[in-house]
Amino acid sequence: AQSVAQPEDQVNVAEGNPLTVKCTYSVSGNPYLFWYVQYPNRGLQFLLKYITGDNLVKGSYGFEAEFNKSQTSFHLKKPSALVSDSALYFCAVRDGWDTGFQKLVFGTGTRLLVSP
Amino acid sequence: DADVTQTPRNRITKTGKRIMLECSQTKGHDRMYWYRQDPGLGLRLIYYSFDVKDINKGEISDGYSVSRQAQAKFSLSLESAIPNQTALYFCATSDLQRGTGELFFGEGSRLTVL
Repeated sequence: AQSVAQPEDQVNVAEGNPLTVKCTYSVSGNPYLFWYVQYPNRGLQFLLKYITGDNLVKGSYGFEAEFNKSQTSFHLKKPSALVSDSALYFCAVRDGWDTGFQKLVFGTGTRLLVSP
Repeated sequence: DADVTQTPRNRITKTGKRIMLECSQTKGHDRMYWYRQDPGLGLRLIYYSFDVKDINKGEISDGYSVSRQAQAKFSLSLESAIPNQTALYFCATSDLQRGTGELFFGEGSRLTVL
């Protein structure tokens, strides 16, 4: 079965510093990987995805993610963190292609706290 | 207005009661999903549906049922709620034709079973 792991429950970073939120994956076949963000009292919002192609994927709000096949990782990054980036971040992998359904398996989430 | 609307947003109920969580969407998407979020566990898939005649069990369907009343409406029911069903529930949609691979989530329904 497909799975993702987010090894850090929380990441703390100062505003203006670069941030990294880690994700590793375990899949059979080619991985379809996603990052979502959840702000307080809101649903999840799509940030970016990796399907194929360039290993560096750019997404919303200045975020990017680096796909590394040899390390089975898909870390989320941003060059300069904002206080407003503070939220809960989820890595996810698509669990098969069942007639077009996006059956995603989510990680446990990493809380990002950006201090002023 | 939100594209994916869930009602109620918050509900407190007692063990043994029947509860229905409703989801409606204006995105015109054909695929709809119910997920459950628990702290430290992430999101887990309960049920998903292609259309009114198509219902599929997800990872944790026991104790839940769903109804797809129309393309735009997908309801989740707990026939006899129990405390370990206390969680945050999310409805989501996706669109095969656009093929972007992303899910669009509602804002969640927080359920507490006493």
